[in-house]
Amino acid sequence: QKEVEQDPGPLSVPEGAIVSLNCTYSNSAFQYFMWYRQYSRKGPELLMYTYSSGNKEDGRFTAQVDKSSKYISLFIRDSQPSDSATYLCAPGGGATNKLIFGTGTLLAVQP
Amino acid sequence: DGGITQSPKYLFRKEGQNVTLSCEQNLNHDAMYWYRQDPGQGLRLIYYSQIVNDFQKGDIAEGYSVSREKKESFPLTVTSAQKNPTAFYLCASSIWGGVRGRDEQFFGPGTRLTVL
Repeated sequence: QKEVEQDPGPLSVPEGAIVSLNCTYSNSAFQYFMWYRQYSRKGPELLMYTYSSGNKEDGRFTAQVDKSSKYISLFIRDSQPSDSATYLCAPGGGATNKLIFGTGTLLAVQP
Repeated sequence: DGGITQSPKYLFRKEGQNVTLSCEQNLNHDAMYWYRQDPGQGLRLIYYSQIVNDFQKGDIAEGYSVSREKKESFPLTVTSAQKNPTAFYLCASSIWGGVRGRDEQFFGPGTRLTVL
């Protein structure tokens, strides 16, 4: 079993839709949770991070963590074509204190 | 501007050749990392370094080598022993390498290596 599981997609939605991106993880020692966005042929950029269970909001983006079920979500409201990218979840803080990256979900927002 | 630079952007290698990928950062970060990205497999850690003159193997170090002679530089050599080197290579850095908590990694633009 992989430490982090993420549906690779692709996920195609119309402009303005609410997008839900999800990951599950197996290591209960993870202490912090990050989401990266990666445009095609570019390096990933940090989008959001959170430490604890619950929600964290930043503009149109909301990160949600449920440590009891080891489930991480990223919600995008009012999605835009410019949101089209691959989204990688990355929990960290286990025994090695390193980030473990999911495979990424490819999102396409259609105008 | 602070950031991470990688060069070259595209690199072509003949089988049996060693090639070196450059990574430089001016963020004054202690830790640096090399990842390999293949379709459907996410980012896999090759090597990382938390301090100058020290580095550790990641999950897929075989066929690769690194050096960390300067804080700002962490070059990766892909040797002929790497059986399937065609991939997108990403360099990253972080402030303290995770030993004191949250490990936000900042990435360079990547190098796409193709073996001919």
